Amino acid sequence: AQSVTQLGSHVSVSEGALVLLRCNYSSSVPPYLFWYVQYPNQGLQLLLKYTSAATLVKGINGFEAEFKKSETSFHLTKPSAHMSDAAEYFCAVRYTGNQFYFGTGTSLTVIP
Amino acid sequence: KAGVTQTPRYLIKTRGQQVTLSCSPISGHRSVSWYQQTPGQGLQFLFEYFSETQRNKGNFPGRFSGRQFSNSRSEMNVSTLELGDSALYLCASSLEVTSSTDTQYFGPGTRLTVL
Repeated sequence: AQSVTQLGSHVSVSEGALVLLRCNYSSSVPPYLFWYVQYPNQGLQLLLKYTSAATLVKGINGFEAEFKKSETSFHLTKPSAHMSDAAEYFCAVRYTGNQFYFGTGTSLTVIP
Repeated sequence: KAGVTQTPRYLIKTRGQQVTLSCSPISGHRSVSWYQQTPGQGLQFLFEYFSETQRNKGNFPGRFSGRQFSNSRSEMNVSTLELGDSALYLCASSLEVTSSTDTQYFGPGTRLTVL
């Protein structure tokens, strides 16, 4: 089955520390990959997306993600965490076709 | 451009009732997808509509239904509500979702509480 796995349902980092949120997909066909962020009581906001143009993708708010085909991964990183980064993060994949598959989410806590 | 709007934002219903949620996509977007989000199950795909036709359907019982109008606005209906239907219902729109680079844009959601 085509799916996406987010390792770690909760991640805590100190303010100013590196943020690393993990996402792996399961498919022999490279998918189109997305990261979304959800703040409390809000919908999902697109952070960035990979569409095969470049393996390193830069998004909003200083986030970036690198597509690694050999590892079937698309991990999200940010060099220095801010308090405002505390939110739920979702990785999603879309294959040829039109359905998105979402991971179960990672809740990021930023410790002052 | 205005984003995806969903109404109402909050709903409280009792078991056995039915409910209708509304979604207005971004202007020009023709595809609308619905998701149910719960703490235990995460985001689960309900269905997707394009040009007034349901193109995809998730694994939900027939109590969950939807439709799309000619202006791309969409509604979803849940009949005979159960306690487990309490969730945040998210709507997402996209241009076509047949393009490889298409992206879904989400509304703020409707928080449904079933008592």
